Amino acid sequence: ETGVTQTPRHLVMGMTNKKSLKCEQHLGHNAMYWYKQSAKKPLELMFVYSLEERVENNSVPSRFSPECPNSSHLFLHLHTLQPEDSALYLCASSHHRQGNLGSPLHFGNGTRLTVT
Amino acid sequence: KQEVTQIPAALSVPEGENLVLNCSFTDSAIYNLQWFRQDPGKGLTSLLLIQSSQREQTSGRLNASLDKSSGRSTLYIAASQPGDSATYLCALYSGGGADGLTFGKGTHLIIQP
Repeated sequence: ETGVTQTPRHLVMGMTNKKSLKCEQHLGHNAMYWYKQSAKKPLELMFVYSLEERVENNSVPSRFSPECPNSSHLFLHLHTLQPEDSALYLCASSHHRQGNLGSPLHFGNGTRLTVT
Repeated sequence: KQEVTQIPAALSVPEGENLVLNCSFTDSAIYNLQWFRQDPGKGLTSLLLIQSSQREQTSGRLNASLDKSSGRSTLYIAASQPGDSATYLCALYSGGGADGLTFGKGTHLIIQP
């Protein structure tokens, strides 16, 4: 079992659907992240949570709504997405926020999202 | 705004060769730099992390160097193996209130058996 688990692995949804991505980390980390990986583009940071508090929202559209109920779980709620939102969504965790001595990031295997 | 460039975008070499992957960045005021590997359809695996005060880090056949003044980092892979085939990503943390890493687009590496 990997340290960071994401479900589902694949998701196809219509533009009017509501779905949620789930991430769980078993590493005892304090910070969790959502990244978006699109074809031909670098990974983009979407959200950062530290000790369950959101510390950064990188100007992400409101159709993406994160939730962090505790330090082990992170969700990304999706609503009224666009086809250009199709991408690999990666969750990551670290012992500290990157600002604190640069703890290595541990990634999940991602959710491949296709919006039709 | 920090920008990270990785050259080459793709590389194919015979098994057994030593090789170097390059990463350059525009703002030398960084806190740390990480190298990751990504296998197809998978997430990223952290390989090496270099703090800004360090010049290099080694793990097995991998050696990463950091030259902040010139805005460069290299990942050296010794005695390459087919299992090294993957995309290698360079990422750095620049601080300034942003907690996320800035990533390059990666180098897609193929090691020919």
